[in-house]
Amino acid sequence: AQTVTQSQPEMSVQEAETVTLSCTYDTSESDYYLFWYKQPPSRQMILVIRQEAYKQQNATENRFSVNFQKAAKSFSLKISDSQLGDAAMYFCAEVGGGNKLTFGTGTQLKVEL
Amino acid sequence: KAGVTQTPRYLIKTRGQQVTLSCSPISGHRSVSWYQQTPGQGLQFLFEYFSETQRNKGNFPGRFSGRQFSNSRSEMNVSTLELGDSALYLCASSFGLAGDSYEQYFGPGTRLTVT
Repeated sequence: AQTVTQSQPEMSVQEAETVTLSCTYDTSESDYYLFWYKQPPSRQMILVIRQEAYKQQNATENRFSVNFQKAAKSFSLKISDSQLGDAAMYFCAEVGGGNKLTFGTGTQLKVEL
Repeated sequence: KAGVTQTPRYLIKTRGQQVTLSCSPISGHRSVSWYQQTPGQGLQFLFEYFSETQRNKGNFPGRFSGRQFSNSRSEMNVSTLELGDSALYLCASSFGLAGDSYEQYFGPGTRLTVT
């Protein structure tokens, strides 16, 4: 069974600083994909970044990057130059083998002035 | 290109009633997935439809059902509502099956309150 664990229910970061959100997962699939989704107060889920497990290179999208450690089954999200608009709930998710998308419990990120 | 739309956005029902929620996917997307989001259980997968066929199902009772039409629009139905069904119901569409790594795009959700 797939499981995704986010051990940080809440995180805070100062504006313009860098923050890292943690995620670990467990899957028996050899071919799988990992995602970070953002859910702001509007509740609209937005895809932030995606990583293919077969790729060694860490994915990057502007200020967002991941640290993908396949052997450790770890997939952390780094947000650089944090902005007020980054305040949201962040969900880590995994899918593979034709299975359903499995989400972690989320990390609430607060951005402070 | 228009995003995923869900109707209604808010709904209040009484215990024992039934409810139907609708989801219109992004044009060209053939897969629609449904999720239930609650503070206690987080995001839980309900089911996924692709080409009018249910392809994946989560661990929900038979009171939760869905269907997909030939234009890829999907509906989900909850019968005999219980207080615990109060939640945000999210719909997501993707070009192909989510399990094949196709990115899912989410709608704004329907907030269901059962009293």
